[in-house]
Amino acid sequence: AQSVTQPDIHITVSEGASLELRCNYSYGATPYLFWYVQSPGQGLQLLLKYFSGDTLVQGIKGFEAEFKRSQSSFNLRKPSVHWSDAAEYFCAVGNSGAGSYQLTFGKGTKLSVIP
Amino acid sequence: GAGVSQTPSNKVTEKGKYVELRCDPISGHTALYWYRQSLGQGPEFLIYFQGTGAADDSGLPNDRFFAVRPEGSVSTLKIQRTERGDSAMYLCASSNLAGGSYNEQFFGPGTRLTVL
Repeated sequence: AQSVTQPDIHITVSEGASLELRCNYSYGATPYLFWYVQSPGQGLQLLLKYFSGDTLVQGIKGFEAEFKRSQSSFNLRKPSVHWSDAAEYFCAVGNSGAGSYQLTFGKGTKLSVIP
Repeated sequence: GAGVSQTPSNKVTEKGKYVELRCDPISGHTALYWYRQSLGQGPEFLIYFQGTGAADDSGLPNDRFFAVRPEGSVSTLKIQRTERGDSAMYLCASSNLAGGSYNEQFFGPGTRLTVL
């Protein structure tokens, strides 16, 4: 069964600093990978996704993620964090086989930003 | 346009009661998903509809949980004989599965269910 591990429960960074959120996945084939952000009272919003091709993926709000098959990782990065980036971030993997398109999520990383 | 909406936003009920949670997907989206998010956890898949039929209900925890989508649009998640452990945020998502692929799932704001 597929699974996602987000090792960091909570990260605090200063505004303007760089950010990297870690994500490791377990899946037998080439996975479909996603990063979502969840702000208080808001629904989950898709930041970016990887299906195939270029392993460096650009997303919205200045985020990017790199797929590394050898490390089973899909880490999310941002060069300069803004206070409005404070939220909870979820990595998810999708089944690339036929059938259900359900997503399996990690437990999330809560990001706090110090002004 | 309008996003995914869920009603009610909050539901408080007593142990043993029956509850219904409603999801209005984005117009034209053929796929609809229900997830459950417990405190401190990521969303967990419950059930997936393609049109009117439940294509995958493998995530439903037991037979107290049931969901319908009779006209291929609005969906209702039904929980019988609620238990305190059912307390969670229930999320609905929809996507346009034209071509049968992982198009983006758009999530609603969720219904927070509290079972006393």
